[in-house]
Amino acid sequence: LAKTTQPISMDSYEGQEVNITCSHNNIATNDYITWYQQFPSQGPRFIIQGYKTKVTNEVASLFIPADRKSSTLSLPRVSLSDTAVYYCLVGDIETGGFKTIFGAGTRLFVKA
Amino acid sequence: DVKVTQSSRYLVKRTGEKVFLECVQDMDHENMFWYRQDPGLGLRLIYFSYDVKMKEKGDIPEGYSVSREKKERFSLILESASTNQTSMYLCASSLPAQGEALHFGNGTRLTVT
Repeated sequence: LAKTTQPISMDSYEGQEVNITCSHNNIATNDYITWYQQFPSQGPRFIIQGYKTKVTNEVASLFIPADRKSSTLSLPRVSLSDTAVYYCLVGDIETGGFKTIFGAGTRLFVKA
Repeated sequence: DVKVTQSSRYLVKRTGEKVFLECVQDMDHENMFWYRQDPGLGLRLIYFSYDVKMKEKGDIPEGYSVSREKKERFSLILESASTNQTSMYLCASSLPAQGEALHFGNGTRLTVT
């Protein structure tokens, strides 16, 4: 199963674009890359998912290079409410189930 | 919207007690999961289930067991609670297709004294 590595923490200011990069050197052919957001005292919440190239939704963009050994979550114009922990994870399919590995996450702190 | 409900928000138990953590989801998801979350360690998978009465061990199953008698309910059991099982426990569910998002509950903070 592919392990992920991401920065422990990042600081930003309101209105800035934030890019969080995740390394997953051992990603397998069938693996998807998924990002979750977690606020204190809540469970993680799905943000975005991709397999290759670029994916964009109303919340974020996900950039995945051709070799898929890393991915970058891009949050446009962050606000104070984007202060949270962001998890990058690589999904693996085994025996019909969906097994995921969460890393320690990146703690993003957005300042006014 | 998918709702994953964990029966207790906070729980305090004594060492050696048998502890049941309950999780219910309302979206007919086949997959259900139990994670624990500890500072600096992120989320670690304890067990998951891809169907009623089916279960698979995750990364840290020791000291835990699970039960899935009905599709919507997935229980985590601590047979004999120990202080190192003090943690935040998170339940999640998902559809079985590749890449389906996990939907989490808000967690149960368990303290074992």
